[in-house]
Amino acid sequence: DIQMTQSPSSLSASVGDRVTITCRASQSINSNLNWYQRKPGKAPVFLIYAVSTLQSGVPSRFSGSGSGTDFTLTISSLQPEDFATYYCQQSYSSPWTFGQGTKVEI
Amino acid sequence: QGQLVESGGGVVQPGRSLRLSCAASGFSFRRFGMHWIRQAPGKGPEWVAVIWYNAINKYYADSVKGRFIISRDDSQNTLYLEMSSLSAEDTAVYFCAREAFDGFDMWGQGTMVSVSS
Repeated sequence: DIQMTQSPSSLSASVGDRVTITCRASQSINSNLNWYQRKPGKAPVFLIYAVSTLQSGVPSRFSGSGSGTDFTLTISSLQPEDFATYYCQQSYSSPWTFGQGTKVEI
Repeated sequence: QGQLVESGGGVVQPGRSLRLSCAASGFSFRRFGMHWIRQAPGKGPEWVAVIWYNAINKYYADSVKGRFIISRDDSQNTLYLEMSSLSAEDTAVYFCAREAFDGFDMWGQGTMVSVSS
């Protein structure tokens, strides 16, 4: 199975900050990398697919980059509604695997 | 836009069985592959099983193979997960999710399964 490792596991930030989350795969996954946002008690939200393509309705302050094994999610200017936990996920091979999450806190 | 609503979770003793359901609405359910994904407390999500749109191809995580069965009823727009021989390691929130754009583009809010004596 492909292991997905996120860093940091949590971070503290303020509204307006630029935030970067890193995701590393245990082997090359080409561009088969997705990002999700989860808030407590709510359904996860599909943010980005294929490394950098924003899902419909996702604000442009979110962006993704990377290839091969190293990927990043960037929030250019953190908004109050962005405080949540973020997960990366590889769709290169089954079983699909997720990172352990990065919690973005105030 | 569509919605997924899971049900059937609860507290169950080790070794017993449970069936989860996921009711889909607002989209053409029969056209999509559907997944079950679970998340144990304090851990990242874990993919559990997938059933293709044709209802023939089904795949499972090694951790549940032989114990869980995924199925779908397109006439009822419903996805199922039959879970047997449950253990404490199966305790988690279980989500159903729709596959699209090479990812999971729609999720339910989840149903909690707690395996405890």
